[in-house]
Amino acid sequence: NAGVTQTPKFQVLKTGQSMTLQCAQDMNHEYMSWYRQDPGMGLRLIHYSVGAGITDQGEVPNGYNVSRSTTEDFPLRLLSAAPSQTSVYFCASSPRDRVREKLFFGSGTQLSVL
Amino acid sequence: EDKVVQSPLSLVVHEGDTVTLNCSYEVTNFRSLLWYKQEKKAPTFLFMLTSSGIEKKSGRLSSILDKKELSSILNITATQTGDSAIYLCAVASGSARQLTFGSGTQLTVLP
Repeated sequence: NAGVTQTPKFQVLKTGQSMTLQCAQDMNHEYMSWYRQDPGMGLRLIHYSVGAGITDQGEVPNGYNVSRSTTEDFPLRLLSAAPSQTSVYFCASSPRDRVREKLFFGSGTQLSVL
Repeated sequence: EDKVVQSPLSLVVHEGDTVTLNCSYEVTNFRSLLWYKQEKKAPTFLFMLTSSGIEKKSGRLSSILDKKELSSILNITATQTGDSAIYLCAVASGSARQLTFGSGTQLTVLP
């Protein structure tokens, strides 16, 4: 049971570079989301998706793009990395039922932007 | 804008102690309150509390929701070193498409 798989685990970028954080789940969950975690600020929602082809913005979407072409995958793209995007990124998924708040998290990606 | 505040920010106790973690919230159209445990990396689900289920218990951990005071507590009795973690509180509103998290309580249990 793989659950939610994120790659890479660590990444260092230079300012202005672009990259994609990968997220895949094998639980047939309809809901997927991306959070960033910064010291003293808890988890903040970047983007989320309630199903293939449907995405929406969360609390802090600027500088990030997402797409959802399949139920399993939900990649997060950083268009032009900035030092303010240095953070730990978590992908999470949940089933589409009355306990959709019960999120299953990936192990995270630690991103540093120099 | 939904808001979740946790206290204390950090707590250091010895094995066997009992701890109480606090979470207060401001949310429109409250749906549920959740507790997650974060060790090392990925948060894992502990409890979900709703209007119809205001008290949950699992082993040494228990949680209560006070809808009148807009708050919740997480109790851990007979703490063990394995309880050392960040404990996150979150609230969901409306359709629960977005969760709002607090900044967490860092619990350290010393042997």
